[in-house]
Amino acid sequence: DTGVSQNPRHKITKRGQNVTFRCDPISEHNRLYWYRQTLGQGPEFLTYFQNEAQLEKSRLLSDRFSAERPKGSFSTLEIQRTEQGDSAMYLCASRRGTSGRATSSYNEQFFGPGTRLTVL
Amino acid sequence: AQSVTQLDSQVPVFEEAPVELRCNYSSSVSVYLFWYVQYPNQGLQLLLKYLSGSTLVKGINGFEAEFNKSQTSFHLRKPSVHISDTAEYFCAVRYNFNKFYFGSGTKLNVKP
Repeated sequence: DTGVSQNPRHKITKRGQNVTFRCDPISEHNRLYWYRQTLGQGPEFLTYFQNEAQLEKSRLLSDRFSAERPKGSFSTLEIQRTEQGDSAMYLCASRRGTSGRATSSYNEQFFGPGTRLTVL
Repeated sequence: AQSVTQLDSQVPVFEEAPVELRCNYSSSVSVYLFWYVQYPNQGLQLLLKYLSGSTLVKGINGFEAEFNKSQTSFHLRKPSVHISDTAEYFCAVRYNFNKFYFGSGTKLNVKP
């Protein structure tokens, strides 16, 4: 399978615990995004990486949230001291980036299946 | 602030009937526009995109959308829906270099 993968698919945790999610993007994609999706809402942007550099973070990303992409390949999203309000689907997407002329595929994000977090 | 509005949270329709899902975005100099479909417990799949050129864009599964700059709209249409089209549909806009904004989604419920 050459798509975006996310692990785990489901995570149930108790309030106050730390959780970490992993995203493996499509191998040639240097852009990686994290989104949060709550029931009845569209995906909300959390953060964005170009290679290993985290270039943008949303105000939604409190200091309990941290994301890394250490080698410019896979990425992890950690939530510390989870709260019930953190319960959501966490989506990862990747995109091809190019320094040349933008092409159709340059603009397209490919999404993973998501990690559903439930905080009890 | 940039925004994407999907006016209809749910759209019920009978099988083989036409459907239109509406999307409006806040004005900007240039935008890239997308429609995604999400089936239960799955990630988002791209249906179609508008980058430039012809304002009528055709996508997968018989869907099409029309970019209307003056009305800042990008409505999704299908002339004849199938039961398998039952899913949630999201409109998305890319304004700046990297950031994507999504609407709140429209649930399409196709009835037999």
